[in-house]
Amino acid sequence: DVKVTQSSRYLVKRTGEKVFLECVQDMDHENMFWYRQDPGLGLRLIYFSYDVKMKEKGDIPEGYSVSREKKERFSLILESASTNQTSMYLCASSREGPRHEQYFGPGTRLTVT
Amino acid sequence: AQSVAQPEDQVNVAEGNPLTVKCTYSVSGNPYLFWYVQYPNRGLQFLLKYITGDNLVKGSYGFEAEFNKSQTSFHLKKPSALVSDSALYFCAVRYFSGGYNKLIFGAGTRLAVHP
Repeated sequence: DVKVTQSSRYLVKRTGEKVFLECVQDMDHENMFWYRQDPGLGLRLIYFSYDVKMKEKGDIPEGYSVSREKKERFSLILESASTNQTSMYLCASSREGPRHEQYFGPGTRLTVT
Repeated sequence: AQSVAQPEDQVNVAEGNPLTVKCTYSVSGNPYLFWYVQYPNRGLQFLLKYITGDNLVKGSYGFEAEFNKSQTSFHLKKPSALVSDSALYFCAVRYFSGGYNKLIFGAGTRLAVHP
């Protein structure tokens, strides 16, 4: 079974703090993704990566950055957290190619106060 | 523009009755369609997908979905609902943008199955 793990299930941070969310997958998947989930909006893509050290902006990249130094690990960084970044963050991975489904981690619920 | 619509915020079904969760899409080219389920405080789990071939696709936990090209729909179905099916369901479609394949998700439909 594919396993995608995220470093924290719940996180509370203050406005202006730098926040790191870590994601690790154990199936040697080429692709990794970061989404945020908000009620009534579904999932929105923040950033994705198709290879080590490669990153591409998704639909809502503002205020975020990412890092992929190793194939199995994909980090999401909030440079200066703001209250509008309070959300559920989901990491996913998949094999290369459009036919393959994505596998999701359990999510990190981030609250910025 | 690419889009996915799940017209119902919530679907209520009695246990043992058939259920349908609706999804319509708009995408250029041939669609690749997916259904995911999210249980409380959990990530999304893959249920099934349509890539090509038979319009009726079978997936996990007894779920199936019917691809209808003329109606641009991909409704999720189950012949007999269980209370344990109560969860949040997401439809998603693959589209090609900026040289990459991406998924766009619907807003989600909450399924409530009552005993």
